[in-house]
Amino acid sequence: EDQVTQSPEALRLQEGESSSLNCSYTVSGLRGLFWYRQDPGKGPEFLFTLYSAGEEKEKERLKATLTKKESFLHITAPKPEDSATYLCAVQVRSGGSNYKLTFGKGTLLTVNP
Amino acid sequence: EAQVTQNPRYLITVTGKKLTVTCSQNMNHEYMSWYRQDPGLGLRQIYYSMNVEVTDKGDVPEGYKVSRKEKRNFPLILESPSPNQTSLYFCASSLFRGTGLYNEQFFGPGTRLTVL
Repeated sequence: EDQVTQSPEALRLQEGESSSLNCSYTVSGLRGLFWYRQDPGKGPEFLFTLYSAGEEKEKERLKATLTKKESFLHITAPKPEDSATYLCAVQVRSGGSNYKLTFGKGTLLTVNP
Repeated sequence: EAQVTQNPRYLITVTGKKLTVTCSQNMNHEYMSWYRQDPGLGLRQIYYSMNVEVTDKGDVPEGYKVSRKEKRNFPLILESPSPNQTSLYFCASSLFRGTGLYNEQFFGPGTRLTVL
C-alpha cells in the first residue's frame, strides 16, 4: 500500500529561523512528488513538482529536494506570512493509464514574529 | 480568470437526502478529482477522472458517485448521505499527459458539508 508520511506534524519557528520539513514515501513507481501550501479554510495552493531523485526546485524562501525515499522542503529565513500547512503528495501509476495521487497529513508551520 | 468553482460552498442537510456538489473548471484540463479533508486524516481522494467518461476510485469512494459527461464538469453525488460524510470537500483539476499529471493541480475553494 502506498504511504506518505510527513514530519513533524507541527513546527513552530521564530522569524528568520531556517528549518526543513520532511516527506517520506513508500510507493511503487513514483511518477511525481508535489508540494502544496494550504491556508486555513482554503484549497491547497501548488508550490513545486519533483520527478526524479536529485531534482531541486526553488521559490523565494522555499527549496524542495527529492531523493529516492523522501523529499525535503527547506525554509530559509521564514516570515510570519509563511505560516500555513504544507502538504506533500505522491503520484503513482494505478493500473493501465490511470494515475493516483496520495497526500500526506501535512505539517502545520507557525512562524512567530 | 483560470479557476475551479464549486457549489454550494456550505451545505447542511439531513441523513438520506440526496445531494449533488458541482465542480467546474475553465482551463480545459483533462484530469479532475474530488477530495475530502478531515482533521487528523488529511486530504483523501474520493474519485478521479482522466478524461470524459473515464473515472476511477480513489482511497475513500464508498457512499459517493461521480460522472464526467463534459470535460469542464465533474459533479460529486451523495445518494444517501450519512453523518460520517460530514467533511470539507475539494475539487481539483490538472493537465494530464500520458506519463501522468502535468505539474500543478488547481483546487476549488471547498464545500463544507454537514449531514445531520
